[in-house]
Amino acid sequence: EAQVTQNPRYLITVTGKKLTVTCSQNMNHEYMSWYRQDPGLGLRQIYYSMNVEVTDKGDVPEGYKVSRKEKRNFPLILESPSPNQTSLYFCASSHQSGTGHEQYFGPGTRLTVT
Amino acid sequence: LAKTTQPISMDSYEGQEVNITCSHNNIATNDYITWYQQFPSQGPRFIIQGYKTKVTNEVASLFIPADRKSSTLSLPRVSLSDTAVYYCLVGDRNTGRRALTFGSGTRLQVQP
Repeated sequence: EAQVTQNPRYLITVTGKKLTVTCSQNMNHEYMSWYRQDPGLGLRQIYYSMNVEVTDKGDVPEGYKVSRKEKRNFPLILESPSPNQTSLYFCASSHQSGTGHEQYFGPGTRLTVT
Repeated sequence: LAKTTQPISMDSYEGQEVNITCSHNNIATNDYITWYQQFPSQGPRFIIQGYKTKVTNEVASLFIPADRKSSTLSLPRVSLSDTAVYYCLVGDRNTGRRALTFGSGTRLQVQP
C-alpha cells in the first residue's frame, strides 16, 4: 500500500530534550516536506527536500533540522524543543513532476513540549 | 498565491449531493485548483485537481466556469464518513518549495 508513515504518532517531552520524528514513504517520491498545523494558523511548511541530500527552509524553520540521506526517509529533528513547538506535525511527499499540488500526507505526529 | 474564500461550514444528510463553492477572484493564468479533505487529527488527503471546465474522478467532481474565478467541488451521495474539512487551494506549478497554503476550509457535517 502506498503510504507515508510517521513515528511516533504522539509524543510528550520536556523542554530541551532532543527528539526525532521519523517520516518514511514507499512511493519513490523525490519531494518530501514537513508541515506543522496550529489552530487558526493553518499548515505552515517547516523544511522541504527536492531529492536526496537536497534540503531547504520553508516558512518556519527555526528550531528544527532535517536530513535526507535516503530517498524514502526524511526525519525531523528538534535539537532543543520548546513549548512553542507544541503542535501537530505532518510529513508529505510527492513526485517531482506534475503541478506539485498532489501531495501525500502522513497521519501526523502530535507533539507536546512541557 | 491567489486568495480563496469558502463557506466556513455546511450541513447535509446522508445520500444527498453536496456542492462546496470556492471563490478565487485573483486566479492567475497558470494557476491550478486543488481540493483536499482532512479528518480530525489526520493528514490532508488530495481529492481532485483541475484547470478548467469539469474534472471527475471516483471520489468527486470539480466544476470550473470559463472565467475560473470560482470552482465547485461536488460530492455525490455523501455518507457519514464524508464529514470532514475541505480545503480549496489555488496556485501555479510550484516546482520549488511546493508549500501548500491551506486556508480555513469548509467544515462539512453529514447527518444520518
